[in-house]
Amino acid sequence: DTGVSQNPRHKITKRGQNVTFRCDPISEHNRLYWYRQTLGQGPEFLTYFQNEAQLEKSRLLSDRFSAERPKGSFSTLEIQRTEQGDSAMYLCASSGRDSLSYNSPLHFGNGTRLTVT
Amino acid sequence: GENVEQHPSTLSVQEGDSAVIKCTYSDSASNYFPWYKQELGKRPQLIIDIRSNVGEKKDQRIAVTLNKTAKHFSLHITETQPEDSAVYFCAASSRYGGATNKLIFGTGTLLAVQP
Repeated sequence: DTGVSQNPRHKITKRGQNVTFRCDPISEHNRLYWYRQTLGQGPEFLTYFQNEAQLEKSRLLSDRFSAERPKGSFSTLEIQRTEQGDSAMYLCASSGRDSLSYNSPLHFGNGTRLTVT
Repeated sequence: GENVEQHPSTLSVQEGDSAVIKCTYSDSASNYFPWYKQELGKRPQLIIDIRSNVGEKKDQRIAVTLNKTAKHFSLHITETQPEDSAVYFCAASSRYGGATNKLIFGTGTLLAVQP
């Protein structure tokens, strides 16, 4: 399977602990996105990378959240001092280069389900 | 700000009937409108997309229409089958500088196809 890979699939942590998730995009894709999805809602944009550059962060992303993509390949999302409200599915997606200024589709991973107790 | 509204939130149809899901968007600069299907516990999967230079696109039993003037787009599924049962999300892209494709998603429609 050469799709987007996310690890771990599930993470249970106690409030106040730090957690880190990893995303491996489709190899030829230069764009990487993090989304958060809660039950009954659509995915909510968190942040976006083009190669190693983080080009946009959602205003909803508190300073407890940080994402990196150091070599323009895999990415990590870290949440510090987790809160119960952070419980959600964290989805990673990647897309290829635009051609003729058209958007290219996002391909999602299976997500990491975070439960903060 | 950017917003995508989706209706209905739930839709139940009989097998073989058609299903229509509608979305409206707020950002007039949006130019790309994908639809995703998400089965329980699985990843969202792209089923069809449309760009702003096209008014309609069809792929077998699935079609999407776009009205840029009204900022509406719709998903049409004909001859529904039980395996079409899932949550469907519409989305619209919002440009950021020279980059593209930050998708804003609707809240989803739970489609149930009754055998």
